[in-house]
Amino acid sequence: RKEVEQDPGPFNVPEGATVAFNCTYSNSASQSFFWYRQDCRKEPKLLMSVYSSGNEDGRFTAQLNRASQYISLLIRDSKLSDSATYLCVVSLAAGGSYIPTFGRGTSLIVHP
Amino acid sequence: DTGVSQDPRHKITKRGQNVTFRCDPISEHNRLYWYRQTLGQGPEFLTYFQNEAQLEKSRLLSDRFSAERPKGSFSTLEIQRTEQGDSAMYLCASSQQGEEKLFFGSGTQLSVL
Repeated sequence: RKEVEQDPGPFNVPEGATVAFNCTYSNSASQSFFWYRQDCRKEPKLLMSVYSSGNEDGRFTAQLNRASQYISLLIRDSKLSDSATYLCVVSLAAGGSYIPTFGRGTSLIVHP
Repeated sequence: DTGVSQDPRHKITKRGQNVTFRCDPISEHNRLYWYRQTLGQGPEFLTYFQNEAQLEKSRLLSDRFSAERPKGSFSTLEIQRTEQGDSAMYLCASSQQGEEKLFFGSGTQLSVL
């Protein structure tokens, strides 16, 4: 089993739709959780951190479920510009360090 | 531009050659990470430094891979005797200790012919 798993998609949705992505992780000792966005041929950029209480940033809502070991990202009112790959990142314990570990990413395509 | 910079942006080499990539992190960041990314996959962790100390290197892909950060500022990643399977995007990221948010450079795209 991979340490951080994501459905690669693609998720193909119309403008204005609500779309949700999940990500599961294997290590219950994981410390920190993030969502990154990566545009084609570009570097990943931090979208938002994920907290146990859940957090919202405009149209984006992130949730963490420690008991079930998954995090989620909800995008409301999708825009064409939201088309990108969304990468889940979990800090996994390894040899005394916490290593930011990426999932393979979920591709989102928003069409007119 | 005070972001993370990587050099070169692209590198084409022949199989068996050695290559070296450079990363300059954000100046106040003391942690520096190297990742490798292939098409359709997320970035794969290779190694990281806190200041000049390399704290995790067990995930370097083979003994042909090595990284240094001699003065705790810029870092280099070297691949010796390159193979076609080394073709990938090599990404560098930096962060502040205690803050696990990563800031990435634009990457070095390596093509091994």
